[in-house]
Amino acid sequence: EAGVTQFPSHSVIEKGQTVTLRCDPISGHDNLYWYRRVMGKEIKFLLHFVKESKQDESGMPNNRFLAERTGGTYSTLKVQPAELEDSGVYFCASSQWTSGSEQFFGPGTRLTVL
Amino acid sequence: KQEVTQIPAALSVPEGENLVLNCSFTDSAIYNLQWFRQDPGKGLTSLLLIQSSQREQTSGRLNASLDKSSGRSTLYIAASQPGDSATYLCAVPSGTYKYIFGTGTRLKVLA
Repeated sequence: EAGVTQFPSHSVIEKGQTVTLRCDPISGHDNLYWYRRVMGKEIKFLLHFVKESKQDESGMPNNRFLAERTGGTYSTLKVQPAELEDSGVYFCASSQWTSGSEQFFGPGTRLTVL
Repeated sequence: KQEVTQIPAALSVPEGENLVLNCSFTDSAIYNLQWFRQDPGKGLTSLLLIQSSQREQTSGRLNASLDKSSGRSTLYIAASQPGDSATYLCAVPSGTYKYIFGTGTRLKVLA
């Protein structure tokens, strides 16, 4: 069974540009999460999808971030326009259920904004 | 507000030692607790998931315990090996799914 995959693995962009990160969850997992770790800090929750619906986007830092999950399969996270403080590692995770369910994480996308 | 703390922040031990990593959390009303391992430049690998009704889980040389009332979990690694070198993270959900992570313990096992 394939795990959670993320693309790209690394992205280097200039301030003001747009970047789109993609996550493919484990097949059959309705729950998809985005997290990120900025330099020197702990990993923090960004948002949660159940199928194609956003259940909780309380962790999204501001309106420069837009997440979608069309058709309830893969998800994208767009940052537009990117700022220096957006640099970090963006992780995607998926789980079969919402409550008490093991979350499986992808390898992450390392984003560097210059 | 849930907060997660991991002690020690870093640990260096000779190969073969048994060791204990600690995780504490402030809100004991948790659904579960999950331990992860992260290798440099890699993603998070799930090691063990302990449900709130359980007291411990074992996988190979790893044993994780959970004491909800005291807000603590320990990850015990038996007979450590150089391949165990990584950062170990614990996470608890705030509510049912929003994981709160500790800052991790960086483990180095010397050959």
